[in-house]
Amino acid sequence: DVKVTQSSRYLVKRTGEKVFLECVQDMDHENMFWYRQDPGLGLRLIYFSYDVKMKEKGDIPEGYSVSREKKERFSLILESASTNQTSMYLCASSPERGYTEAFFGQGTRLTVV
Amino acid sequence: ELKVEQNPLFLSMQEGKNYTIYCNYSTTSDRLYWYRQDPGKSLESLFVLLSNGAVKQEGRLMASLDTKARLSTLHITAAVHDLSATYFCAVGGSRLTFGEGTQLTVNP
Repeated sequence: DVKVTQSSRYLVKRTGEKVFLECVQDMDHENMFWYRQDPGLGLRLIYFSYDVKMKEKGDIPEGYSVSREKKERFSLILESASTNQTSMYLCASSPERGYTEAFFGQGTRLTVV
Repeated sequence: ELKVEQNPLFLSMQEGKNYTIYCNYSTTSDRLYWYRQDPGKSLESLFVLLSNGAVKQEGRLMASLDTKARLSTLHITAAVHDLSATYFCAVGGSRLTFGEGTQLTVNP
């Protein structure tokens, strides 16, 4: 089974802090994704990556950056957390470009106070 | 820009009844995915529909895809409480665009 693991289930951070959300997948997948999920808005794509050191902006990249130094790890960075970034963050991976059945991690519920 | 719309967004139904969730999308795609999310949990893949006319069934759930109409349906037969969850459809090539989700509650 594909396993996508996010480093934290729950996080509470203060406004202005730099926040790192980590995601690791163990199936040698090419693609990795970061989504945020908010009530009534579904899942919105923040950033994605097709390969090591590659990144592409999704639909809502403002206020976020990402890092993919190793194939199995994709990090989401909030440079200066704000209260409107309070959300559920979901990491996903998929096997290769063009084939996008995505497998999701358990999610990180981030609260910025 | 690809848009994906689901309806209804909220569905409360009795056990034993049948119902259909609809997923419409705005641009051509021959791949559509259905996911299930239980409260507080992550998304679990239910169905992958890869071509026009594709139909997949698992237990009381059946999904179909009409690429010409840009429509997928998720049909629930004889609902049971265990099906209570939020269901998402997603469309795309190398990246997925999700619908808003349909929150299904099955009452005894």
